[in-house]
Formats: sequence, C-alpha cells, structure tokens
Amino acid sequence: KQEVTQIPAALSVPEGENLVLNCSFTDSAIYNLQWFRQDPGKGLTSLLLIQSSQREQTSGRLNASLDKSSGRSTLYIAASQPGDSATYLCDAAGNAGKSTFGDGTTLTVKP
Amino acid sequence: DTAVSQTPKYLVTQMGNDKSIKCEQNLGHDTMYWYKQDSKKFLKIMFSYNNKELIINETVPNRFSPKSPDKAHLNLHINSLELGDSAVYFCASSPRDNYGYTFGSGTRLTVV
Repeated sequence: KQEVTQIPAALSVPEGENLVLNCSFTDSAIYNLQWFRQDPGKGLTSLLLIQSSQREQTSGRLNASLDKSSGRSTLYIAASQPGDSATYLCDAAGNAGKSTFGDGTTLTVKP
Repeated sequence: DTAVSQTPKYLVTQMGNDKSIKCEQNLGHDTMYWYKQDSKKFLKIMFSYNNKELIINETVPNRFSPKSPDKAHLNLHINSLELGDSAVYFCASSPRDNYGYTFGSGTRLTVV
C-alpha cells in the first residue's frame, strides 16, 4: 500500500526566501507525481506534474524534482511571496487510478 | 468556462437523508474521480470512472454510489447520510488514468 509523507507539516518564512517542500513515498512504482496547491476553503490547483520517466519540471518560480529510486520529490519555491501562502499537497499516482495524497505542508510567507 | 464544475457548493442535510452531488467536466477527459477531504484535511480517493466504467472503488461504504451517465458527468449519490459523512467532496478529471488531474472547487457536505 502506497504511503505518502510530507515534511514539514507547516512552514513559516519571511518574504523573499527560497524554500523546499519535501514529499516521500513508499512504493516507487508510480506513473507520475503531481504537486497541488490548496487555498483555505478552495479546491486544488495543479502546479506541476512529473511523469515517472522525468526528473524535474519547472514553472516560473517553482521547480519540482522526482527521484523514484529513493521515493522522494521536492518542490522548490524561489523568492517566496505572501501570495504563495497555501497548503501544498503532493500526489503519487499508481496504476488503475490509484492516487495517494500526502497530508500537505501549510506554508505561510510573512510580508 | 469552468473546467470541472460541481453542484451544489454547500449542502446541509439531516442524518438519514439521501442526497446527490453532481459533477461535470468540459475538458474532454476520459477519467473522472471523486475524492473525500475530511476535517483533518486528509484527501482520499473514493471512485474513479474511465469512459463510464468503474475502474477503482476504494473501501467506501456501499451507501455511496457513483453514477456516470456519460464520460463528461460523474455524480455521487449518498444514501442514509451519517454524521461521519461530513466532509468536502472533490470531483476531478484527467485525460487518462493518472495523467494530471483538474479538480472541481468542492462540495462542502454537513450532516446534522
């Protein structure tokens, strides 16, 4: 059974800092790993999707890496802004539609 | 145009009632999903439908029954609602199995 862990559970940083969110998974047989953002009371917004054959994806100030062999993914946020404050979720997708989310990292960026 | 739309956005109902949540996607995706997010914010997959066929059914009570009249719609019907069913239910879709999800904005269900 796939287990996904995100560390830390909460993170508070001053504006402008670079930061890394961590996601680890126990079963390396994944199809892809996806990072989402969830704002309070809102749905999930997809940030980056890394296919199992890929090592990283970049979008603007965000960079996500994937190391299947070690069961890890990281989300790097450069030059953080208060608008980045949200909960960040990673999802490890296996076959037959099996999707396992981590419990999320709640990020607060202070002005 | 909303890509994945759910109705209603909020639903408050009494224990024992039967209710339905509707989901529609206009992305042309083949696969649709229902997720449950409880008060602790844990997000769990409940069902997945691929071209109107159920391809996964996690261990949810059989009071929950998904219905897919066509590949653009996946509705969730819940019988005999219980207090523990209170949660936010998210619909999502993807072009095919596990190829990037687009989520709806959620339906907050409160059972009183």
